[in-house]
Formats: sequence, C-alpha cells, structure tokens
Amino acid sequence: DQQVKQNSPSLSVQEGRISILNCDYTNSMFDYFLWYKKYPAEGPTFLISISSIKDKNEDGRFTVFLNKSAKHLSLHIVPSQPGDSAVYFCAASVFGGGSEKLVFGKGTKLTVNP
Amino acid sequence: GAGVSQSPSNKVTEKGKDVELRCDPISGHTALYWYRQSLGQGLEFLIYFQGNSAPDKSGLPSDRFSAERTGGSVSTLTIQRTQQEDSAVYLCASSPGTSYNRIQYFGAGTRLSVL
Repeated sequence: DQQVKQNSPSLSVQEGRISILNCDYTNSMFDYFLWYKKYPAEGPTFLISISSIKDKNEDGRFTVFLNKSAKHLSLHIVPSQPGDSAVYFCAASVFGGGSEKLVFGKGTKLTVNP
Repeated sequence: GAGVSQSPSNKVTEKGKDVELRCDPISGHTALYWYRQSLGQGLEFLIYFQGNSAPDKSGLPSDRFSAERTGGSVSTLTIQRTQQEDSAVYLCASSPGTSYNRIQYFGAGTRLSVL
C-alpha cells in the first residue's frame, strides 16, 4: 500500500512558465516532507523541505506548499528552466520510533521545453 | 566537498553469486540509510543505521540481504545468492541524524545487474 503518491508520471511545461508537481500521502504521522530532484545515472539531490508545523516554504524559484487537512503537498517552480528537466520525488518521514526512513513516491518526470 | 561515495558504480553478476556494495557517508553523519530503486519504481527503504547499530532493518526483502557498519562510518550491503529480481540501483544516504536536520544526502548509487 503506497503511503506517498505522485499521480502524474510526467509533466511538460514551457520555459518561463510555472511547474506544479503534486504529492498526496495517507499516513497522518508524517511530520516532515522533502522534494528531491534526480538526473539519470545520478543520486537524488535534495531540493527543499517543509515541516508539518508550516504550510509554505520558499527557496528561490522553488516553493513547497503543505495542506495537512488534505494530506497534500505541491512543489512550484517559477520560472521553469530547461535545466529543471529531471525526475522529481516527493518523500515523507516520521521522526522517532527508531527510524527516520524516507518514504518516497514513484516520481514525476518534468520536461521544460525551451 | 566530500559527499556520499558508493562503489562500485556498476556491478554485473551471475545468478547465485554473492555481491558486496560499499557506502562511504559524509564525515560526521551518524545516520546512514540504504534504499533501492527498481525499474520504474520509487526508492524503497532497506535498512537504517544510527552509529554502528541498525535499529530498523524492516525493509530488507529477505535473509539473503544483510548490512553492517563499522567505526560509525563505512557501510557494506551484502546480497547472497543473488537472484534476477535483485537487479536494481542501490542507493546509500547519510544524514546528521538530528531532529532539526533530517535531510538525507544520497550517493550516486550502485547499479546491480544479475544475469
């Protein structure tokens, strides 16, 4: 049973426009959420995170929004650039209990067209 | 700067052979994780180390999989009697292991192919 879901396997946007990547989760115990970007043949690279006590976190062109009541988060990239083309993974964790493992979605492949 | 280092980057083996995958975490990171990514799937948790102990081994898929960590640093993931379904990219991550910094930093992974 998938606790973190990214329902869009792919997304295509024009350079300069906004990219919105979505993620849903089922486990209400998750208290920390992260977005990673992955290029082929490389490991995931951390992008941005958000704690469950916040509803928004911004870092340059990247903003993550968290809606706890809907168990939904989204990553906004504005403006999108061709170098943003990669697979984006949403991940969540629960602190304590002996492990801070990350639970990942299956990823969304973003293509930014020049 | 020194990130998470994994070796080998690629490993091709025959079904039934044993393989060892190595992870060298970021210096000073007490937490170390192993994940694997099968084709078209997300990352799947395997095992978590805090220092040299493994409080969470719940993701290891069978008793053919084992891991150890020595000196609170390097970790080795061993797969015995490999099967074709073990083919995947095995990723290692490390983290400071504190409640206020839970970001995990990943290596480039080891791509394992079992023929």
